[in-house]
Amino acid sequence: DTEVTQTPKHLVMGMTNKKSLKCEQHMGHRAMYWYKQKAKKPPELMFVYSYEKLSINESVPSRFSPECPNSSLLNLHLHALQPEDSALYLCASSPLDRAGNTIYFGEGSWLTVV
Amino acid sequence: AQSVTQLDSQVPVFEEAPVELRCNYSSSVSVYLFWYVQYPNQGLQLLLKYLSGSTLVESINGFEAEFNKSQTSFHLRKPSVHISDTAEYFCAVIGGGGSYIPTFGRGTSLIVHP
Repeated sequence: DTEVTQTPKHLVMGMTNKKSLKCEQHMGHRAMYWYKQKAKKPPELMFVYSYEKLSINESVPSRFSPECPNSSLLNLHLHALQPEDSALYLCASSPLDRAGNTIYFGEGSWLTVV
Repeated sequence: AQSVTQLDSQVPVFEEAPVELRCNYSSSVSVYLFWYVQYPNQGLQLLLKYLSGSTLVESINGFEAEFNKSQTSFHLRKPSVHISDTAEYFCAVIGGGGSYIPTFGRGTSLIVHP
């Protein structure tokens, strides 16, 4: 089973709202990721958690706040977003194998900021 | 440093025709290579990967890719495409030496016409 589950599938929020995206994996993977993807573009890395600690933050604005409550869960808290933040947000996980770190993606959460 | 070049942004083909999606990489160390497929309004799915061993790797739905070290390529091929293969295809590379974050190509849009 190589499933990464994301909720909600669609989210519409105003610029003053606070919302969260959630992600879950039960593959025993030690790394979890948030990516942002615009239409017809490759995914852009936002954050990486390895062994439940934030290891990479790709200079993401503070209106995006990640959280890793445990090894299976990853959240992305959203506050005071801008319309240009509308995109597909992909969660992913990987085992952190030395011989090639295969990343598995969820179906994504479609975010629209109005 | 690692990078990926997908030479074609769009590849239109007719159903049952063969197709090749090109991917070239650069890396100063050994590499791990991946192809992901993204169907409309979905997340990225791992299609196939090269980690080591046989240079020819296959997916369950008839795609194959060959790792060519001398040409630094990992082209994706299918002898006969279906309408359902219409999707965005992303090539990705992880350079060895401790790196575990993939670099994605810009993507190739495969459009299969009836």
